[in-house]
Amino acid sequence: QSVLTQPPSVSAAPGQKVTISCSGSSSNIGNYYVSWYQQLPGTAPKLLIYDNDYRPSGIPDRFSGSKSGTSATLGITGLQTGDEADYYCATWDSSLSGVVFGGGTKLTVL
Amino acid sequence: EVQLVESGGGLIQPGGSLRLSCAASGITVSRDYMSWVRQAPGKGLEWVSLIYASGTTYYADSVKGRFTISRDNYENTLYLQMNSLRAEDAAVYYCARGMGRNWSFDYWGQGTLVTVSS
Repeated sequence: QSVLTQPPSVSAAPGQKVTISCSGSSSNIGNYYVSWYQQLPGTAPKLLIYDNDYRPSGIPDRFSGSKSGTSATLGITGLQTGDEADYYCATWDSSLSGVVFGGGTKLTVL
Repeated sequence: EVQLVESGGGLIQPGGSLRLSCAASGITVSRDYMSWVRQAPGKGLEWVSLIYASGTTYYADSVKGRFTISRDNYENTLYLQMNSLRAEDAAVYYCARGMGRNWSFDYWGQGTLVTVSS
């Protein structure tokens, strides 16, 4: 059971928008920055969002991040079939003294 | 160009030991903080261990006392010594470079597979 809770799956049609939630507590999201990763099938994770809402160079602005209290959200607009992947949130947890990942959310673009 | 190349995975019996390596180029492992993250077959990502530039280390509770993270500054290589391996340690192990001050990982290796079975 992951410390950070994500929905197992989300789906939307091409061109639409989807959001993926990540719920935690005061020992993690409530007091630390959140990152988001995309993992395409058979590949290593890729950093999408860092420090809650910053995109690394090369990540399109279709991807956005936000945080409020003990929850964070990843938004993806203009969905493409190439966005089908697993998405993970992550942050530091002071109670565990370590990095924690969410359980992951599988995005299906119908 | 940054490259992280893991090696050392393979089939090992329960109770055995294995050392994973992560050869880095384009970054300096001693100047950045580095981490190991694993992924069991069909499962999500699980953080394993982290080493800061200062040498301070952290471990997930699931591996504490059994795994040791280290680095060779001359070889620019990160290591993970894994002892007393269990079936639940079977996974693809990724090394990753920490970015900034908030535990984001911007470069990842391709991963190395560890299988624990008799």
